[in-house]
Formats: sequence, structure tokens, C-alpha cells
Amino acid sequence: DIVMTQTPSSQAVSAGEKVTMSCKSSQSLLYSENKKNYLAWYQQKPGQSPKLLISWASTRESGVPDRFIGSGSGTDFTLTISSVQAEDLAVYYCEQYYDTPLTFGSGTKLEIK
Amino acid sequence: EVQLVESGGVLVQPGRSMKLSCAASGFTFSSFPMAWVRQAPTKGLEWVATISTSGGSTYYRDSVKGRFTISRDNAKSTLYLQMDSLRSEDTATYYCTTDRDPLAYWGQGTLVTVSS
Repeated sequence: DIVMTQTPSSQAVSAGEKVTMSCKSSQSLLYSENKKNYLAWYQQKPGQSPKLLISWASTRESGVPDRFIGSGSGTDFTLTISSVQAEDLAVYYCEQYYDTPLTFGSGTKLEIK
Repeated sequence: EVQLVESGGVLVQPGRSMKLSCAASGFTFSSFPMAWVRQAPTKGLEWVATISTSGGSTYYRDSVKGRFTISRDNAKSTLYLQMDSLRSEDTATYYCTTDRDPLAYWGQGTLVTVSS
């Protein structure tokens, strides 16, 4: 199974600050034939179901604010929120869909100071 | 608007069975592979099973193989998860999701509690 490791487990920032969180996979998620990274980011707000934010490591879903930026390739990925808003309070999960079983990171909990 | 509505979650004793349903609307259900993902209380997300568009191919995580069965009825736009020989570690909120690389749409979840 592909192991997904997210750091940090939690992070507290003030509104307006920039935040970055890391996701590392135990094997490359880059598929050589199409040059795509099979990595997604999800946001789960308290009491809600997860919401897809970013697919293919860096493609923002429709309606997702442009302050959410996904980057990285191979085994190292980053989710950046350029200017955190109060409504970004949530747990953020990365997920690999390169291979079955699909696997998730343990999440980064974002708290607003 | 895409809607996925799960139902069937209840309190059940260990060793017993139950079946979850997920009613889909707002998209062409038969064109999407579908999956179940679960989340134990205060824990992270865990993929459970995936089914192909026709239902001809199914995939399971090791811990549920032989106990859970994913199925679908494309005429009714409904996804199912039959869960047998339930264990306490199966206690979780179960989410129905579309699974067309990646998991784009999620239901609100249904809580399954396995306890005596």
C-alpha cells in the first residue's frame, strides 16, 4: 500500500497569514504515460463531509478560491493557503489515487488564532 | 446539482449484518465508478470499496474483503454496501462518493455503530 504522510498534524495561524502543509508519499504518484500526479487535497470543515479542493496535485476545482494552491510532483506535495481566512478552519487531507487501495494522509488541522 | 444521500446507518451488535444505501441524483450515475469511504469517530478517512460503472469490477480494502459487498443498481441510481460479520472496528461514518479520479462528490454520511 502507498503510505501518505502529512505534516504538521496541526497548525495555528492568524487570518491573513500564509500557511503551507506537506504531504509525502511512499512511492511516486507521477504516471509516466500522461505526466500526471495522482494526488488530491480535501478540506473537511467541522461537522461536514470532505470537499475536493485540488486534483492532479495542482488543479483547483471549480469554485475553490484561488488562495488555495497545490504544488509538487513525484513523492513530495504541498498545499498552500496564501492568505488564510476564518472560514478555512478545517482538517486538510491529501489522498493518492495512483493505485488501489486509495490511501489518505492523517490530516493537517488548521486552527485560526 | 449533484446529490448523494446515504441511509441505513444504525446501532448493530458485533457479528450482525446491515446494508447501506446511497441515492444519487443530479448526474449520470451509470457513467461514474462509485466508492464508499469511512471515518471512525475523531479519526481520518479510510477508503473501503469501489465499484465500476457496470458493477462488473469491485475492489475492497483488505480488512473488509469477504465481509463487505459493494453493489449498484444503475436503473435506480443507487449504490449499496452490504456489511456482514460486523466488528467494533467497523464503527464509523460511511460516505458515498463518486470515484472518477479522484473522489469528487461526497454524501453527508451515515453513522454505523457496532456495539453490544
